[in-house]
Amino acid sequence: DTAVSQTPKYLVTQMGNDKSIKCEQNLGHDTMYWYKQDSKKFLKIMFSYNNKELIINETVPNRFSPKSPDKAHLNLHINSLELGDSAVYFCASSLSRGHGYTFGSGTRLTVV
Amino acid sequence: AQSVTQLGSHVSVSEGALVLLRCNYSSSVPPYLFWYVQYPNQGLQLLLKYTSAATLVKGINGFEAEFKKSETSFHLTKPSAHMSDAAEYFCAVSDPHSGGGADGLTFGKGTHLIIQP
Repeated sequence: DTAVSQTPKYLVTQMGNDKSIKCEQNLGHDTMYWYKQDSKKFLKIMFSYNNKELIINETVPNRFSPKSPDKAHLNLHINSLELGDSAVYFCASSLSRGHGYTFGSGTRLTVV
Repeated sequence: AQSVTQLGSHVSVSEGALVLLRCNYSSSVPPYLFWYVQYPNQGLQLLLKYTSAATLVKGINGFEAEFKKSETSFHLTKPSAHMSDAAEYFCAVSDPHSGGGADGLTFGKGTHLIIQP
């Protein structure tokens, strides 16, 4: 009964490939997010979805595209992967701003 | 724009000693403030949050933090460190009044807490 689950946990792929990371939350939260944690552990928001609407799109390359089939799922698609995309990607969800954010366990993406 | 500064990328304390992790924020409006902990190879776990109620906030695992508006600070403390507290700690801020019905967190760069036996 994991609250926010991401798959896969590890992803190793070659440059130029296209890959997807899936995220699902069973908390009934209204908003979901994707964060990127770089090698220095710095966390930065990439996207958020509220009621299937993109709310935040920080200046990430358009090779990254979030897809939300319903409010319990927010998948991340990445096209033409580059070495610099190697990082840990975290999915998160929140009920509202003041409640805090529940994070998934992360997907470690390694591009070789 | 909001920002968060965590002083000290690494903090080392002895087991049983006081833990103090510093966080200062910059925000044009009174923000919501959070502390998260990340254990190795794991996700982020919420320790505590400030959302404009009591300025002294108690969290899990014996941690607490005090919101000081005059100092724009939200430092995290624990009276007695335990070996299991060794982890990465992140302070984060969000704007309660941002538009669109949702907003994300702006994180500090993290503080790695080392516990010496």
